[in-house]
Amino acid sequence: QKEVEQDPGPLSVPEGAIVSLNCTYSNSAFQYFMWYRQYSRKGPELLMYTYSSGNKEDGRFTAQVDKSSKYISLFIRDSQPSDSATYLCAMKQAGNQFYFGTGTSLTVIP
Amino acid sequence: DAGVIQSPRHEVTEMGQEVTLRCKPISGHNSLFWYRQTMMRGLELLIYFNNNVPIDDSGMPEDRFSAKMPNASFSTLKIQPSEPRDSAVYFCASRRTGENEKLFFGSGTQLSVL
Repeated sequence: QKEVEQDPGPLSVPEGAIVSLNCTYSNSAFQYFMWYRQYSRKGPELLMYTYSSGNKEDGRFTAQVDKSSKYISLFIRDSQPSDSATYLCAMKQAGNQFYFGTGTSLTVIP
Repeated sequence: DAGVIQSPRHEVTEMGQEVTLRCKPISGHNSLFWYRQTMMRGLELLIYFNNNVPIDDSGMPEDRFSAKMPNASFSTLKIQPSEPRDSAVYFCASRRTGENEKLFFGSGTQLSVL
């Protein structure tokens, strides 16, 4: 079983839609939960991070962590064409190794 | 800050040739990571360094791959001899100790081995 599982999509939504992206994980020792956004032909960039269960909001983006279910989500409200990218979840324990999901490709259609 | 700088952006080579990928981390970052990204397997960690010392190279596929970090501002990933199955995007990333979630990636090197 992979450490982190992510639905690869692709996901295609109309502009203004609410988008839900999800990952599950198996290692209960993960302490840090992150979402990275990767535009085509670019490296991933950190979008949001959280350390604990619950919700964290940043503008149109909300990151949600449920440690009891080993499940994290990223919600995008009022999605825009500029949100079209691949979204990767990532997790880590203390230490250096990051575990990434395979990424979900999102297209927001104007 | 210029961010993590990788070169070359694209590399096309023939099977059996030596390939060297280069990375300059962000100044002040003391951890450096090499990743490989493919559609099938996503981002795979190859090796990471702390303070220029290799800490975990268990992700390096085989002896054909080697990585060095001679100083805090430069690292190389070498493949010798290269094979078609090495074709992928190779990313370098760096991080400052204490900033657990902030991994900064370069723009990657697209490697094609014919």
